[in-house]
Amino acid sequence: QVQLQMSDPGQVKPSETLSLTCAVSGYSITSPYYWGWIRQPPGKGLEWIGTIYQSGSTYYNPSLKSRVIISVDTSKNHFSLKLRSVTAADTAVYYCARMMAYCNGDCFLDYFDYWGQGTLVTVSS
Amino acid sequence: QSALTQPPSASGSPGQSVTISCTGTSSDVGGYNYVSWYQQHPGKAPKVIIYDVTKRPSGVPDRFSGSKSGNTASLTVSGLQAEDEADYYCSSYAGSNNFVFGTGTKVTVL
Repeated sequence: QVQLQMSDPGQVKPSETLSLTCAVSGYSITSPYYWGWIRQPPGKGLEWIGTIYQSGSTYYNPSLKSRVIISVDTSKNHFSLKLRSVTAADTAVYYCARMMAYCNGDCFLDYFDYWGQGTLVTVSS
Repeated sequence: QSALTQPPSASGSPGQSVTISCTGTSSDVGGYNYVSWYQQHPGKAPKVIIYDVTKRPSGVPDRFSGSKSGNTASLTVSGLQAEDEADYYCSSYAGSNNFVFGTGTKVTVL
């Protein structure tokens, strides 16, 4: 059974960098799956942040691309999210998840099947 | 890309059916068969209930079904039960290595 456990940064100050890690257990991160980040502002809908493959290939939401870096550490079986220059609008529950995708040139991003528990990140001074 | 459009709310009595629409464009919903649906209970992570337009993951009751016509996908919940009260989100591949969620629909069991 795949389990995803997220770190908990709690509160981040405006203009700083939000950092999250998702530890994967019960499955190797080097398997042929993709791994992604999603967020949900309080009382609002889901927003895809980005997706990464074990090779390091990344795919980002165009609206966040200039501020986001997703990376993978296969030795630790985890992947990470960094979102720089945060504002109050970045306050949200952040989720990590495993993603089904099919890549051959273009990458057809399909769906998320296993999700982490979610962690609320508040941007406040 | 813009979020896919869903009605904010839907409701039905126990045993009835409710259908939720998810409207996009020919660049996302209409262009690919990579539409999925998620159920989210309060305070919980979303759970996939339909993928690839019509497929159900193991363990998801067959009361949940998906379909697509043109740029609009639909989720139907038949035989509504109290535990089906939740928020539902669609998603779709949006071309050029992009992915988009719907705006979400709150389903109430009357």
